[in-house]
Amino acid sequence: GAVVSQHPSRVICKSGTSVKIECRSLDFQATTMFWYRQFPKQSLMLMATSNEGSKATYEQGVEKDKFLINHASLTLSTLTVTSAHPEDSSFYICSARDGSGRRTYNEQFFGPGTRLTVL
Amino acid sequence: QQQVKQSPQSLIVQKGGISIINCAYENTAFDYFPWYQQFPGKGPALLIAIRPDVSEKKEGRFTISFNKSAKQFSLHIMDSQPGDSATYFCAASIRGGGFKTIFGAGTRLFVKA
Repeated sequence: GAVVSQHPSRVICKSGTSVKIECRSLDFQATTMFWYRQFPKQSLMLMATSNEGSKATYEQGVEKDKFLINHASLTLSTLTVTSAHPEDSSFYICSARDGSGRRTYNEQFFGPGTRLTVL
Repeated sequence: QQQVKQSPQSLIVQKGGISIINCAYENTAFDYFPWYQQFPGKGPALLIAIRPDVSEKKEGRFTISFNKSAKQFSLHIMDSQPGDSATYFCAASIRGGGFKTIFGAGTRLFVKA
C-alpha cells in the first residue's frame, strides 16, 4: 500500500521558536499534499494544499506567514510553524495524493501525525 | 455548502451488533465519499470509499450505503468488535476542487465486550 511518514512524531518547543515538520511519501510520488490540524476530540481541519513546485494554497483563516509550507519534491513537503505560541499546540497531520493514475483519483493517504506542544 | 454533517457524535454498541453512522452533504459536486478510521494519537486510515454512481459498496464487515437523491450516505459495521472502537470520519471531495477533502465532525464508537 501507499505509505506516508511524518517526522518528528512529537515535538516540544519553547514559545517563540520555529518548528519544522516533514511529510514524506515513501513508495509513490505525491503530486499533491495536504496539511491538516486536529484539536483534541475534534475533526480534521484543512490548513493548506500544496502542489509540487508551486506555492501552497491556504484555507481561509490560516496565516500563510505563520505556517510556511514547502513542497520541493514529489516525495517531500514540509510545514514550518514560525514563532510558535501555546495556541499552536495541536496534532498536525499530512496527507498525500498519488497522482500517477494507478489509484482512485482522489484517494489520499495520511501520515501518522505530529504532536506539537508549545510551552 | 461545503459542510458534511455527521451523526451521531458518539455510539456505544454491543459486541456482535451493527454500528451505523450517518452523513449528509449539500454540495452535489462532491464526487468521492471516503470513510476514515482513526485511533487515538494516530493519523486517519482509509476504511472504504464510494462514488455517487454506486448505491452500495461492501468490504468485509464494512458497508457504505449511498443515497444520491437524499444526499446522504452511511457506514454500517457488521458484527462489531471491541477492536473497532475508534473515531470514524465521513468525508467528501471534489476532483475539480483541487481534490480537497471535507471531513465530518467524527463519531466516537465504543464496542462493549
